[in-house]
Amino acid sequence: EIVLTQSPATLSLSPGERATLSCRASQGLSNYLAWYQQKPGQAPRLLIYDTSHRATGIPARFSGSGSGTDFTLTISSLEPEDFAVYYCQQRTSWPLTFTFGPGTKVDIK
Amino acid sequence: QVQLQESGPGVVKPSETLSLTCTVSVSSVNSGYYWGWIRQSPGKGLEWIASLYHSGTTYYNPSLKSRVTISLDTPKNQISLKLTSVTAADTAVYYCARIDVGANTYPFDYWGQGTLVVVSS
Repeated sequence: EIVLTQSPATLSLSPGERATLSCRASQGLSNYLAWYQQKPGQAPRLLIYDTSHRATGIPARFSGSGSGTDFTLTISSLEPEDFAVYYCQQRTSWPLTFTFGPGTKVDIK
Repeated sequence: QVQLQESGPGVVKPSETLSLTCTVSVSSVNSGYYWGWIRQSPGKGLEWIASLYHSGTTYYNPSLKSRVTISLDTPKNQISLKLTSVTAADTAVYYCARIDVGANTYPFDYWGQGTLVVVSS
């Protein structure tokens, strides 16, 4: 079973600052990684898939990178609406299973 | 725009069976996508429960497999979830989501708004 670890648990930043979120896998990921944003009372929203591809409608300030076991979500300049919880997700091929990381909360400093 | 809408009982008694339905609009459940259920306990993270393909192939979280059944009702364009022998630990918001198999990650690209299920006597 692949375990995803996200760090930090909480990131306190000001609007306009750069946010760097980490997701580490217990084994190398052959199927890459996805990132989601969740705001209170809302369903998660897909931001990034296949490590670095932005989903439809996602602003360019969101970018993903990484390979193997270490992945990063970067928000180049935080907007007020970006303060939320971010989850990473991977899937195994056979059997098909999905795993989410525990999340990183980005809050206002 | 694909829309998913979960529906469920709201409250379920311990040891009983939880039944949830997800109604899909715009997209057909028979259109070549996978579909899935994910839950989130209050104040906690996301937990994948189960997924299925339009062919009927199913996949389950090993930790829940003995208690879960996911199924498709193609004429109604619905995905259903049954969870047996529920306990307080099953209290959560339950989401249904579409899975984009065109991407390597199989990301959940469309989500329902979620339905809260409380297990309580």
